[in-house]
Amino acid sequence: KQEVTQIPAALSVPEGENLVLNCSFTDSAIYNLQWFRQDPGKGLTSLLLIQSSQREQTSGRLNASLDKSSGRSTLYIAASQPGDSATYLCAVKGGPGTYKYIFGTGTRLKVLA
Amino acid sequence: ETGVTQSPTHLIKTRGQQVTLRCSSQSGHNTVSWYQQALGQGPQFIFQYYREEENGRGNFPPRFSGLQFPNYSSELNVNALELDDSALYLCASSSAPGTSYEQYFGPGTRLTVT
Repeated sequence: KQEVTQIPAALSVPEGENLVLNCSFTDSAIYNLQWFRQDPGKGLTSLLLIQSSQREQTSGRLNASLDKSSGRSTLYIAASQPGDSATYLCAVKGGPGTYKYIFGTGTRLKVLA
Repeated sequence: ETGVTQSPTHLIKTRGQQVTLRCSSQSGHNTVSWYQQALGQGPQFIFQYYREEENGRGNFPPRFSGLQFPNYSSELNVNALELDDSALYLCASSSAPGTSYEQYFGPGTRLTVT
């Protein structure tokens, strides 16, 4: 049974810091992994999608990496800003025949001005 | 391109009542998934619809049911509401299984059961 864990659960950093959020999963047979951002009480905004054959994806100040064999993904945020404050969730989709995403419980990030 | 929309935004119901939540998928998407997110938790998969058929289901009882319409919009119905059903209900649309399968989420419906 696939389980997704995100560490740390919460993080508080001063503005301008580079930071890394971690996501680990127990079953390496995944189809893809997606990182989301969620503002309080709101829906999820897709940040980056990494297919199982890819090692990383980049969008602006965000870079996500995937190491399937070790069951890990990291989300790197460069030069953090107060507007980056949110909960970051990772989700994995299993291989052929599976249809759902399994989510971690998220990392609550607060960037202090 | 129209994003995923959900209605209503907020809803308050009494234990034992029934509720219907609605979702319009993003233009060009024919797959809709529903998730339940309790406070402080990650979303939990309820079920998925592809071309009007249920395509998979998570560990939710039969009182959670759904529909998908020919225009790919979808409904989530919950009967005999319980206090633990209080949560944010999220709808996600995606292209057909086997493609990139990137999911796009709506803003959610906050359901409170008293």
